[in-house]
Amino acid sequence: NAGVTQTPKFRVLKTGQSMTLLCAQDMNHEYMYWYRQDPGMGLRLIHYSVGEGTTAKGEVPDGYNVSRLKKQNFLLGLESAAPSQTSVYFCASSYTHEAFFGQGTRLTVV
Amino acid sequence: KQEVTQIPAALSVPEGENLVLNCSFTDSAIYNLQWFRQDPGKGLTSLLLIQSSQREQTSGRLNASLDKSSGRSTLYIAASQPGDSATYLCAVPSGGSYIPTFGRGTSLIVHP
Repeated sequence: NAGVTQTPKFRVLKTGQSMTLLCAQDMNHEYMYWYRQDPGMGLRLIHYSVGEGTTAKGEVPDGYNVSRLKKQNFLLGLESAAPSQTSVYFCASSYTHEAFFGQGTRLTVV
Repeated sequence: KQEVTQIPAALSVPEGENLVLNCSFTDSAIYNLQWFRQDPGKGLTSLLLIQSSQREQTSGRLNASLDKSSGRSTLYIAASQPGDSATYLCAVPSGGSYIPTFGRGTSLIVHP
């Protein structure tokens, strides 16, 4: 009963490096989301997907790219990391009404 | 654009008190509203989901109400315990979609 799994859980990057965060869900959900959580800012939507092969921009998409090649996976990419992207990243999925969240990825860019 | 406000931002109470956490939203054309709990350094755990056709939902000592017309929801915690200490987040879909928009949360501390 895994639910939503995020990989990795922690990562330290140097400015300019790239990385991909993986989100996997086993609930056959159509909708998947990537949020970032910063102190005092709450959770802000980066990108989302309403089904396999689809992606769309959220509130704070700059500096990030996403892909949804398989229904169960939603990848978040940082092409050239910046210190402003230091944050905790959460992935979520939903069928319609109820959203389920992963445990988060704590990313530090130095 | 949906905007979600949670009041108070922080709350510190002695054990045993009954609590009310407030959530207000600007777009009342919603399908549902969801309350989450977040412990420090952890992910979000769903507490209660209220469909737009419902007025309230209950789970143990938690009761959430929804008033769509006024754009408000409250989370009532009965007989608070130190284990209830966490941040409580309200999430409401925006723009006729299912995409959750979050408030900034209420940070709750229940001291013995």
